[in-house]
Amino acid sequence: AQTVTQSQPEMSVQEAETVTLSCTYDTSENNYYLFWYKQPPSRQMILVIRQEAYKQQNATENRFSVNFQKAAKSFSLKISDSQLGDTAMYFCAFMNHYTGANSKLTFGKGITLSVRP
Amino acid sequence: EAQVTQNPRYLITVTGKKLTVTCSQNMNHEYMSWYRQDPGLGLRQIYYSMNVEVTDKGDVPEGYKVSRKEKRNFPLILESPSPNQTSLYFCASSWAQASDTQYFGPGTRLTVL
Repeated sequence: AQTVTQSQPEMSVQEAETVTLSCTYDTSENNYYLFWYKQPPSRQMILVIRQEAYKQQNATENRFSVNFQKAAKSFSLKISDSQLGDTAMYFCAFMNHYTGANSKLTFGKGITLSVRP
Repeated sequence: EAQVTQNPRYLITVTGKKLTVTCSQNMNHEYMSWYRQDPGLGLRQIYYSMNVEVTDKGDVPEGYKVSRKEKRNFPLILESPSPNQTSLYFCASSWAQASDTQYFGPGTRLTVL
C-alpha cells in the first residue's frame, strides 16, 4: 500500500517571500502521479499542480513549482512570491498509473500554510 | 460549466437516522468516488464506482453504502449514522483513465449527535 507523509503540520511565510512544503511517499510502483491540492477556508479542493513519475522535468504552474526526487521519493512544493490568497491547507497526494483500476488518491495529512501581510 | 455538486452542504442529524448525501456531475465521467476528511488524517476513500452499476469499497467503507444507477449520480447512504461518522465528505469524478484530473465537489459537513 502507498503512504504519503507530510511531517510539517503548519508553516508561516511573509507575503512576497518563497516557501517550500515537504512531502514524502512510499510505493513499490514505478509509474504513478503526484499532486498538490489546496484547500482554502471555503473547503473546496483545488488542484495546484501534478507530476507524472515518468517525467524527469519538474512541473511548474505560474508561481508554483515542484522538486520531484523519484529515488528519494520526495515531492516538495515551492510557492514563490507568496500571496495572502495562498493561505490554505495543502495536501500532497499519490495515484497509481495503471488504468482500469481504482483511481484512488492517497492523501497526506495536510499542512496549514499562513501567509502574513 | 463543468462541475460536481453535492447536497446538502451542511447536515446535523442524530444517531441512527438514515440519511443520503447526493453527488451529481455533468461531465459524463465514468469514475466517481467518495472521500471523508478528518483532522490529522487527510482524505480517505470510502467507496468508488468505475461506471453504472459498478461499485467497490475503498479504504474506510464500514457504515456506508453507495449506488450508481445513473452515470451522473453517485449518492452516499448512511443507513444508521453514528457519531464517528461526523466528518467532511467529498465526492469526486473523472474519466476512467488514472491520468485524468479528478474534479471535487464542494464538500458536505456532516455532524452526527
